[in-house]
Amino acid sequence: DAGVIQSPRHEVTEMGQEVTLRCKPISGHDYLFWYRQTMMRGLELLIYFNNNVPIDDSGMPEDRFSAKMPNASFSTLKIQPSEPRDSAVYFCASSPRRRGTEAFFGQGTRLTVV
Amino acid sequence: DAKTTQPNSMESNEEEPVHLPCNHSTISGTDYIHWYRQLPSQGPEYVIHGLTSNVNNRMASLAIAEDRKSSTLILHRATLRDAAVYYCILRDWGNTDKLIFGTGTRLQVFP
Repeated sequence: DAGVIQSPRHEVTEMGQEVTLRCKPISGHDYLFWYRQTMMRGLELLIYFNNNVPIDDSGMPEDRFSAKMPNASFSTLKIQPSEPRDSAVYFCASSPRRRGTEAFFGQGTRLTVV
Repeated sequence: DAKTTQPNSMESNEEEPVHLPCNHSTISGTDYIHWYRQLPSQGPEYVIHGLTSNVNNRMASLAIAEDRKSSTLILHRATLRDAAVYYCILRDWGNTDKLIFGTGTRLQVFP
C-alpha cells in the first residue's frame, strides 16, 4: 500500500476562495482523521470518521469548514470561504479499528491563504 | 479526553540513550499509551504503544509505571535522525478511539 495520500501537497489561494483538500486512506482502514497544525495551536483534531460516518466534529473551527467521506477510499475537507487565519498544514490519518493499532499519517497539505 | 504532560524540550548527544518522560495521572483502564514522533516537514509517525507491560520494538522501548500514571520512551542510541518532536498520547480504545496530540517534547541530538 502506498500509505495515506493527500493532495495537493501545497495550495496557495486568495481570501474568500473555496479550498478543497483531499485524502485517500489506507485500504481496509476504518478510521479517518483530519488534523490541522499551526505554530500557535499545534496539532488539532478537526473531525474523524468511522466507516465513512462522522463521529466527532467538535474540533471543526467554524461553519466555513466541512468534511465528507463519500466512500471508504476518499475524503475531502472543504473551506468556504477561506481566510488568512486558515493557513496551516492539514494532515489526514487512517487506522484500523483494532485494539492497540497505530494510525498512519499522510504527508500533509500546506495551505496558504493570502 | 485524558491529558498528558511532557517537557517542552530535551537534548542528547549522538549514540547516547535518551529517556523521554510522560505523565498521565488521569489515565483510565481502557487507555493505551501511544508515542508518535514528527520529523521536520513530515507528518507524525508511530513509534510504539503499550497498555500495562513494558514494550520493545526496533525503534524504541516503552517503560510503563506500575500504576500507569507515567511512562518513559527510551531511545537506546540516539542518532541525528532521531531529532524530532515526540508526542505521548492516550488512546481510549473501544470508547472514543480518538488520537489527541499535546505539545510534545522537542528532542535535539548533537553530534
